[in-house]
Amino acid sequence: AQSVTQLGSHVSVSEGALVLLRCNYSSSVPPYLFWYVQYPNQGLQLLLKYTSAATLVKGINGFEAEFKKSETSFHLTKPSAHMSDAAEYFCAVGSGGNNRLAFGKGNQVVVIP
Amino acid sequence: NAGVTQTPKFRVLKTGQSMTLLCAQDMNHEYMYWYRQDPGMGLRLIHYSVGEGTTAKGEVPDGYNVSRLKKQNFLLGLESAAPSQTSVYFCASSSPGLFSSTDTQYFGPGTRLTVL
Repeated sequence: AQSVTQLGSHVSVSEGALVLLRCNYSSSVPPYLFWYVQYPNQGLQLLLKYTSAATLVKGINGFEAEFKKSETSFHLTKPSAHMSDAAEYFCAVGSGGNNRLAFGKGNQVVVIP
Repeated sequence: NAGVTQTPKFRVLKTGQSMTLLCAQDMNHEYMYWYRQDPGMGLRLIHYSVGEGTTAKGEVPDGYNVSRLKKQNFLLGLESAAPSQTSVYFCASSSPGLFSSTDTQYFGPGTRLTVL
């Protein structure tokens, strides 16, 4: 079964500083990996996804993530945090055998002015 | 397009009451999903459907039932609500090509349910 681990439920970052959210996956087959963002009182929106086309994936709002098979990781980064990045972020893994996703527990990002 | 809509947005139930949550999508998606979101737990899959007339259990199906009589609708039922079912419920939909480079699961805005 596929699973992802996100450490640190709450992440504080200063405005203008690097945003780094860690995601490690477990999968017996080549994984499909996703990052979603959830703003307060809203549903989830796709930030970016990895489907084996390229290891460095660029998403919306200046976010990107790098797939590292040797480290079973798919960490999310943004060079410079904005106040509007305050939200909850979820990593998810899926397999080609079905259309299901397994989500991590999420990271609540707080941006400090 | 409205995307994925959920009805109602909020609901308060007493223990033992029943209710149905409605999810509707206008993207002609084959796949639909019901998740629950609890603090510190992420999203957990309750039930899903891979097409009209089909349903399957997810990670946490106990206490819930679902139906997919029409392709665009996916209903989640609670027959006898319990306080442990207090949660935020999200519906999502996708095409079969979820793992292609251009597709994703599309989420509704959520239903906040409190069971007293």
